[in-house]
Amino acid sequence: EAQVTQNPRYLITVTGKKLTVTCSQNMNHEYMSWYRQDPGLGLRQIYYSMNVEVTDKGDVPEGYKVSRKEKRNFPLILESPSPNQTSLYFCASSFSQTSYEQYFGPGTRLTVT
Amino acid sequence: GDSVTQMEGPVTLSEEAFLTINCTYTATGYPSLFWYVQYPGEGLQLLLKATKADDKGSNKGFEATYRKETTSFHLEKGSVQVSDSAVYFCALSGATDSNYQLIWGAGTKLIIKP
Repeated sequence: EAQVTQNPRYLITVTGKKLTVTCSQNMNHEYMSWYRQDPGLGLRQIYYSMNVEVTDKGDVPEGYKVSRKEKRNFPLILESPSPNQTSLYFCASSFSQTSYEQYFGPGTRLTVT
Repeated sequence: GDSVTQMEGPVTLSEEAFLTINCTYTATGYPSLFWYVQYPGEGLQLLLKATKADDKGSNKGFEATYRKETTSFHLEKGSVQVSDSAVYFCALSGATDSNYQLIWGAGTKLIIKP
């Protein structure tokens, strides 16, 4: 089954404790991205990657890191989480940056206390 | 910059009612327009799209027409069901200064009562 998976689905952590949210797709997509969803703000892109070893900042990259060492995986790293990073996070992928249908993972609900 | 404006929700309707969710946009160039749907506890999925003016996208009984003259892409359905309860996002892409990034509206929550 074609899908984007994220783990964990739910995470509660404390300020400053490094965490990683994993994302994996099995569709051989080149393009992957991370979004955060906050009430009234819709989706905002954090980082994106057009291919292996190619990543770039989205609209709200501060406080986040990513890496793309393999085509299928695109982990999101919060080196020192803060409460303002409490949000719902989505990973998405598509065949290319210009392939507008993006396939989304189920989301990760992160709470930073 | 490019932007998408959706009507605020929640929108609450009775089953079999007619649905309209308004979406207007601001963009340079000739964007493609999309509606995505997010069911409770799930990620977003593409509902329909239109790539040029006067195109009509349709899927699962939903329709939206790309209106360049009014810069709008309103979502409509003739008879909604309880299973249509979800959050609906309007988005655009392809405008010259958005660099193919999807630009999202804030989302409209739809609640259908039996």
